[in-house]
Amino acid sequence: KAGVTQTPRYLIKTRGQQVTLSCSPISGHRSVSWYQQTPGQGLQFLFEYFSETQRNKGNFPGRFSGRQFSNSRSEMNVSTLELGDSALYLCASSLYGGRTADTQYFGPGTRLTVL
Amino acid sequence: AQSVAQPEDQVNVAEGNPLTVKCTYSVSGNPYLFWYVQYPNRGLQFLLKYITGDNLVKGSYGFEAEFNKSQTSFHLKKPSALVSDSALYFCAVPADSNYQLIWGAGTKLIIKP
Repeated sequence: KAGVTQTPRYLIKTRGQQVTLSCSPISGHRSVSWYQQTPGQGLQFLFEYFSETQRNKGNFPGRFSGRQFSNSRSEMNVSTLELGDSALYLCASSLYGGRTADTQYFGPGTRLTVL
Repeated sequence: AQSVAQPEDQVNVAEGNPLTVKCTYSVSGNPYLFWYVQYPNRGLQFLLKYITGDNLVKGSYGFEAEFNKSQTSFHLKKPSALVSDSALYFCAVPADSNYQLIWGAGTKLIIKP
């Protein structure tokens, strides 16, 4: 089975711009979660989608949003970029999510640099 | 609230020696615990998880982890370290509220030839 794929792998944007990141989950997985990883804050949960619905949301401002399509592919969008948004954005998929023992499988991440 | 702690920022081990990366947890009820590894400029790779049953969990790449309820620990171990094991290791536990993973700060493992 193909793993989780994320595009693009690298992005450079300037402050104030917006950006869209894409994630394709493992075939058959219906839950997609997004995480932000920074040296200072570590790994932080952004949101989770299941069956095209946002099921859970982390503590991030409304500039961060996402969506999921009927084929389970997901996108996340960040509007009005700030320098502090520079990070590695990781997508993870699991069969159903929402269960304490469901394993999440991660993509390689998108490295976003905001100048 | 659920939490995990990785008390060591970095662990240095000589190739061929056994390695241990420490993780302690705080959970209400029975814990589910995960270990992931991250190689430079890569995403996270699942190593193993504890659900219930045997306290010794075997995972990928020769790693295993020992669950100790009395010490609330879930240390990652490998009998003989390889240089290629050098990476960042994360322990994680699902949050009670939304089952999303709460992560430790990570431990950088350096294996020297």
